Amino acid sequence: AQRVTQPEKLLSVFKGAPVELKCNYSYSGSPELFWYVQYSRQRLQLLLRHISRESIKGFTADLNKGETSFHLKKPFAQEEDSAMYYCALSLRDTGFQKLVFGTGTRLLVSP
Amino acid sequence: EAGVTQFPSHSVIEKGQTVTLRCDPISGHDNLYWYRRVMGKEIKFLLHFVKESKQDESGMPNNRFLAERTGGTYSTLKVQPAELEDSGVYFCASSQDLGTRVYEQFFGPGTRLTVL
Repeated sequence: AQRVTQPEKLLSVFKGAPVELKCNYSYSGSPELFWYVQYSRQRLQLLLRHISRESIKGFTADLNKGETSFHLKKPFAQEEDSAMYYCALSLRDTGFQKLVFGTGTRLLVSP
Repeated sequence: EAGVTQFPSHSVIEKGQTVTLRCDPISGHDNLYWYRRVMGKEIKFLLHFVKESKQDESGMPNNRFLAERTGGTYSTLKVQPAELEDSGVYFCASSQDLGTRVYEQFFGPGTRLTVL
């Protein structure tokens, strides 16, 4: 079965430090990978998707098919990055409709 | 543009009662999804509508859950009778018609359901 693993429940860093939120997936086909973010008292929103190959708010994520990973990185964390981050995949089998989420990682950036 | 809206924001009911959650998608979005996050676990897919038709209901936990989308506009998710394990946050999302592209799913604020 398809699965997304985010091994860290909480990641705590100081402002200006590099950040890497880990995401591994299990799926034999070619998935679409996403990072969603939920800031305090806001709704879940798309941060970035691997097919876009773009940087959003300084975050990047590279799909590594060999390691089946899609880690989220930012070289210098900011306090406003504190939020809950969810890695998710969608599958060609379902027409890329159904999202499979990881359990999420809470990022806390301290001043 | 108004985003996805959900009603109510919170619901506290007793075991055995019935609860109906409502979702209004973004206008013009044919795709509507329901997800659920049970405390401490991942957000799980429940089902997907294309207009008024159920495209995929593989995530519906059991027959106590009934989802409808009359006229292809808003959707309701009814839980009858509610059990303790149904407690969690129910999210609704919508997206444009897929075609050959993967469109972003826009999420609502969620309904927090507590079954006592």
